[in-house]
Amino acid sequence: DVKVTQSSRYLVKRTGEKVFLECVQDMDHENMFWYRQDPGLGLRLIYFSYDVKMKEKGDIPEGYSVSREKKERFSLILESASTNQTSMYLCASRPGQLNQPQHFGDGTRLSIL
Amino acid sequence: QQQVKQSPQSLIVQKGGISIINCAYENTAFDYFPWYQQFPGKGPALLIAIRPDVSEKKEGRFTISFNKSAKQFSLHIMDSQPGDSATYFCAASSDNTDKLIFGTGTRLQVFP
Repeated sequence: DVKVTQSSRYLVKRTGEKVFLECVQDMDHENMFWYRQDPGLGLRLIYFSYDVKMKEKGDIPEGYSVSREKKERFSLILESASTNQTSMYLCASRPGQLNQPQHFGDGTRLSIL
Repeated sequence: QQQVKQSPQSLIVQKGGISIINCAYENTAFDYFPWYQQFPGKGPALLIAIRPDVSEKKEGRFTISFNKSAKQFSLHIMDSQPGDSATYFCAASSDNTDKLIFGTGTRLQVFP
């Protein structure tokens, strides 16, 4: 079974802090994704990556950046956290072929105070 | 044009009943339509998916109905069970993009 592990289930940070959310997958998947999930808005794509050191903006990249130094690890960075970034963050991975299922981690609930 | 509109936002069904969740899209380039199921405290997991070359796909109690001309697709859960209580997301993507566009989700509660 594919396992996507997010380093923290819950995280509380302060406004202006630099925040790192980590995600690791164990299936050698080429593609990795970061979403945020908010009630009534569904899942919105922040960034995704096709390969090591490659990244593409999703639908809501403002205020975020990402890093993919190794194939199995994809990090989401909040450069200067703000209260409107309080949300559930979900990481996903999938093989390089199109239209394969995305496998999700269990999420990190981030609160910015 | 990239949106996927999902309804209803919430649904309450009696055990044994049929749950129906609907989605509509605008982008005619979409050609892959998965449904994801999410339990509280867990990430979404793929439930069932369809491509537009068929009008229906069934897996156990779960069926996707697809209407290409109307640009609509729906999830039917037959004989709904309390264990089906979860949030369901429809999604869509096209062959020339890696991006899944998700609907806003439907919270299903099945009561005994």
